[in-house]
Amino acid sequence: RKEVEQDPGPFNVPEGATVAFNCTYSNSASQSFFWYRQDCRKEPKLLMSVYSSGNEDGRFTAQLNRASQYISLLIRDSKLSDSATYLCVVNRNTGGFKTIFGAGTRLFVKA
Amino acid sequence: EAGVVQSPRYKIIEKKQPVAFWCNPISGHNTLYWYRQNLGQGPELLIRYENEEAVDDSQLPKDRFSAERLKGVDSTLKIQPAELGDSAVYLCASTRTAPAGANVLTFGAGSRLTVL
Repeated sequence: RKEVEQDPGPFNVPEGATVAFNCTYSNSASQSFFWYRQDCRKEPKLLMSVYSSGNEDGRFTAQLNRASQYISLLIRDSKLSDSATYLCVVNRNTGGFKTIFGAGTRLFVKA
Repeated sequence: EAGVVQSPRYKIIEKKQPVAFWCNPISGHNTLYWYRQNLGQGPELLIRYENEEAVDDSQLPKDRFSAERLKGVDSTLKIQPAELGDSAVYLCASTRTAPAGANVLTFGAGSRLTVL
């Protein structure tokens, strides 16, 4: 089992739809959490950090549940330009500091 | 501010040949990472440097992979000899040395390797 696991995808949604991605992590000592976005044949780029209190950035909302070791990303009013792979990322500092990426969830938004 | 610069962007070689990738991180970023990303997968760490010191190379296949960051700035990742399974995108990332847990990585565009 991988340390960071994500919904397999792909998600195919129409424009305007609301879509949610889930991510679970297995190491309870994980300290910080992020969502990165990766466009086709491009490098990953930070989308947003994830805080225990939940945080919102425009149409994007991220939630963290430490008790369940679960992270989510909600995208409202999907745009064609949201089509990408969304990577769940976890930092931990046990056995040395590590930044661990999930395999990603692909999103296709269609007109 | 210039981003993380990598070269070459693309490389096609035959198996058993050597290959090298170069990375220049963002100025002032002490921490440098090399990741490998296979198709449909997330990036997987190969090696992490703090300045010129390799602080995590536990996942670097040391029989054929080597890396260096001699002056604590730019870095080179080498594969010798390359195998078919090494075909992947090699991503370099950098960040300022921050309290553990605060690191946000900035990636270069990657070097796409195809081994025939």
